[in-house]
Amino acid sequence: AQTVTQSQPEMSVQEAETVTLSCTYDTSENNYYLFWYKQPPSRQMILVIRQEAYKQQNATENRFSVNFQKAAKSFSLKISDSQLGDTAMYFCAFTDLNTGTASKLTFGTGTRLQVTL
Amino acid sequence: GAGVSQSPRYKVAKRGQDVALRCDPISGHVSLFWYQQALGQGPEFLTYFQNEAQLDKSGLPSDRFFAERPEGSVSTLKIQRTQQEDSAVYLCASSLVGGTGRTEAFFGQGTRLTVV
Repeated sequence: AQTVTQSQPEMSVQEAETVTLSCTYDTSENNYYLFWYKQPPSRQMILVIRQEAYKQQNATENRFSVNFQKAAKSFSLKISDSQLGDTAMYFCAFTDLNTGTASKLTFGTGTRLQVTL
Repeated sequence: GAGVSQSPRYKVAKRGQDVALRCDPISGHVSLFWYQQALGQGPEFLTYFQNEAQLDKSGLPSDRFFAERPEGSVSTLKIQRTQQEDSAVYLCASSLVGGTGRTEAFFGQGTRLTVV
């Protein structure tokens, strides 16, 4: 079974600064995807960034980038130039491409990020 | 519709009552997922549909939980004889094609169920 661990329950960062959220995972599979989702108080999960395990290049999406270390099973999210609108819960998630038909997601417990003035 | 729509947004049920939670996915989306998110936790997978076929229900916690998607569009998650441990946010997600991980799953805003 796959597990996803987020060891930082809460983080705080000042506006315009950079923050890194940690995530580790455990799997015996070689073919998978990793994700970071943002969940604001509205509860709707929003995809922030996605990484395919077979790609060595780290994914980037504007101010968001990841540091994917496959051997270490580590997948951290870096948010640059933090904005007040980045305040939310952030979940790391994993999906195994070998499960057949269902790309069900396994989530971590989340990190609550607070961006302050 | 423009996004995944879930109703009701909030539901309070007395212990022992039956509840039905509705999910209206994005039009044309083949895959539909239900997740349960307990307070302070990440979402946990409940069940998966590809069109009207329920292909994976391994996450349903007990036989009190039942999901259906009879016409391959709207889905209903039913919980019979609700118990306090069923209190959670129930999230629905849909994606365009059969679950491969290669297509983005879009989430609704969830239904917060409180069993008293």
